[in-house]
Amino acid sequence: GENVEQHPSTLSVQEGDSAVIKCTYSDSASNYFPWYKQELGKRPQLIIDIRSNVGEKKDQRIAVTLNKTAKHFSLHITETQPEDSAVYFCAARGGFQKLVFGTGTRLLVSP
Amino acid sequence: DGGITQSPKYLFRKEGQNVTLSCEQNLNHDAMYWYRQDPGQGLRLIYYSQIVNDFQKGDIAEGYSVSREKKESFPLTVTSAQKNPTAFYLCASCSDRGIAFFGQGTRLTVV
Repeated sequence: GENVEQHPSTLSVQEGDSAVIKCTYSDSASNYFPWYKQELGKRPQLIIDIRSNVGEKKDQRIAVTLNKTAKHFSLHITETQPEDSAVYFCAARGGFQKLVFGTGTRLLVSP
Repeated sequence: DGGITQSPKYLFRKEGQNVTLSCEQNLNHDAMYWYRQDPGQGLRLIYYSQIVNDFQKGDIAEGYSVSREKKESFPLTVTSAQKNPTAFYLCASCSDRGIAFFGQGTRLTVV
C-alpha cells in the first residue's frame, strides 16, 4: 500500500524567509498530491494540490513541485509570515481513492 | 468544510466499552474517510469508503469498525479490542476532484 514520508518534522524560520517541506511516496499509481494546513485546534484545510500530469503549480506565495520519477513532491512557501505558523500535511491518493497523509511538519515563523 | 459534521466533540469511554463516533456530510460526496491523529504521528487512515455499502481497511483498522449504509453517513465504532483508543478522530469526505473536507473532529478519552 501507499506510504508517505514527510520531512522535516519541525521547521523554524524568520519572517520573510522561505520554507520548504518535502514528501516522498511509494505507490507509483498515486496521481493526486494535496497539501493541508492545520492551525491549532482547527481542522486541516487544503492549501494547494497537484496532479500527476503537472510538474509545478503556484498560488501566490505557495508552490508545489512534483517529481514522478523520483516519487517526491515539495511545498515551497516564500516570504513567510507569522500567520503561516501551523502544521502542514502532505498526502497522496492512490488506487481505490485511498488518501494517505504524511506525519506532518510543524512550521514556526518568528517575527 | 461546513458540510461535514462530526459528533460529539468530546467523548469519554470506560475501558471495555464500545463507542460510536458520528460523521455526516451533505456535500453529496461518494468517498469518506476516518483518520486518527496522535501527536507527532500525523493522520493515520483507519477506514475509507469509496461508495455506499462498500468500505476498505486503512493502515490501522484493528479494533475499529464502520458501516456505510447511507451516502451521507459513515459512523466509526471504537471497540473494546482497540487497546489505546485515546486520540483525536477526524472524518473527511472527498469531492470527485479528490479534495478532502474535514469535520471538526472528536476527541475520545478513555477513563
